[in-house]
Amino acid sequence: EAGVAQSPRYKIIEKRQSVAFWCNPISGHATLYWYQQILGQGPKLLIQFQNNGVVDDSQLPKDRFSAERLKGVDSTLKIQPAKLEDSAVYLCASSLVSYNSPLHFGNGTRLTVT
Amino acid sequence: ELKVEQNPLFLSMQEGKNYTIYCNYSTTSDRLYWYRQDPGKSLESLFVLLSNGAVKQEGRLMASLDTKARLSTLHITAAVHDLSATYFCAVSGNQFYFGTGTSLTVIP
Repeated sequence: EAGVAQSPRYKIIEKRQSVAFWCNPISGHATLYWYQQILGQGPKLLIQFQNNGVVDDSQLPKDRFSAERLKGVDSTLKIQPAKLEDSAVYLCASSLVSYNSPLHFGNGTRLTVT
Repeated sequence: ELKVEQNPLFLSMQEGKNYTIYCNYSTTSDRLYWYRQDPGKSLESLFVLLSNGAVKQEGRLMASLDTKARLSTLHITAAVHDLSATYFCAVSGNQFYFGTGTSLTVIP
């Protein structure tokens, strides 16, 4: 089966600019997650979708981050405006069922904010 | 919020040696996952442990789960260089909570 696809792989922007990341989950996976992984740390959940509804966005900095999942398939994560501390790898993951199935991760987008 | 702690954070071991990575978590959960991450790469699922006493083995890696102690272990037998990576445990609560990771370096 095709894995989780993410783009772009790398992005360098200046602070206060905006950026968007795209994710296409594994076909048939209803649950989609966006994680932020800062260098040397474990992934931190930003937002979880079940189909096209938000299940958990409690750790999403909503003043600058937004995410949507159109038609319950692809998803985009946007940062506007970016701050230096947003430099991290943004990982998209999907699973068949929330919590009870392992996560399948994409290769991530490495964001550098200068 | 569920807390997940791993130790050690860094592990340097010689080829052929055995070692154990520990994963402690703060509240009840009966589902625990182990992932491997190579430098610059994404996370790859290694083991899914779904009940108390579960033990899974793949090659030189063996994972176990003790839900009463809120502890999982990842045991490495006769380490080889190819096992060098960062290993994460993750606990399933109302979301997936990841540990801080253990960076393993196997020295020839």
